[in-house]
Amino acid sequence: DTVLTQSPALAVSPGERVTISCRASESVSTLMHWYQQKPGQQPTLLIYLASNLESGVPARFSGSGSGTDFTLTIDPVEADDTATYYCQQSWNDPLTFGSGTKLEIK
Amino acid sequence: EVQLVESGGGLVQPGRSLKLSCAASGFTFSNYGMAWVRQTPTKGLEWVASISTGGGNTYYRDSVKGRFTISRDNAKNTQYLQMDSLRSEDTATYYCARHPYNNWDYFDYWGQGVMVTVSS
Repeated sequence: DTVLTQSPALAVSPGERVTISCRASESVSTLMHWYQQKPGQQPTLLIYLASNLESGVPARFSGSGSGTDFTLTIDPVEADDTATYYCQQSWNDPLTFGSGTKLEIK
Repeated sequence: EVQLVESGGGLVQPGRSLKLSCAASGFTFSNYGMAWVRQTPTKGLEWVASISTGGGNTYYRDSVKGRFTISRDNAKNTQYLQMDSLRSEDTATYYCARHPYNNWDYFDYWGQGVMVTVSS
C-alpha cells in the first residue's frame, strides 16, 4: 500500500501562514486530496486533485505538489482552523490516508 | 443539502455479524458512487469499500474481502455494509461517504459516523 507520511502536529498563531506536508512512499501523480476533521466531527473535503479548492472552502486554503511531495497551505490561519488535516491518495489501490497533522492555533 | 446518516452500529462479539445502513438525501443518490471509510485512533482513516452507481461494481480493501459486503438500494436512497466474521481489529467508527460525480478518487461528503465495537 502507498504510505503517506505527515508531521504529527503544528502550532501557529492566528494570522500566520502554515504549510502542512504530505510525502508519499511512491509517486501518486497529482491524485492527492486533503481533508479537515474538527474534534468530534466527520472529515470534510478541502482540496482535490492536489490543487483544486472544493466549493465552499475559503480561499485561504490551497494545495500544491505532484509526484511524492504535497503541501496544504492555510494563509492566513484563523482560530477556527483548529483541526486535524489528512491527505489521501488515489493513484494506487487501495486508497490510503496519511496519519494526520494536528493543527493547534496558539 | 447533502445528508448521509449512518445507523446500525453497536457492540458485537467476535465472529458475529452486523449490518450498517446509510440513508442519503439532498442529491440524486443513483448518480453517485458510494463508499465506507473507517477510523480508529491507532490506524487512522482506512477506506473499506466502494460501490458503483448501479451496484454492479464493488471494491474492497484486502482485509475485509470475503467478510464484508457493500450494497445499495437506489429506490430507498440507502447503502449498506454487511459485516460478517467480525474481528477485534474491525472496531472503528464507520463513515458513509460519497464519491464525486463520475469520480472514484476521493470523497466529497461524509456522514457523521457510527461506532462499531467488536469485543467479547
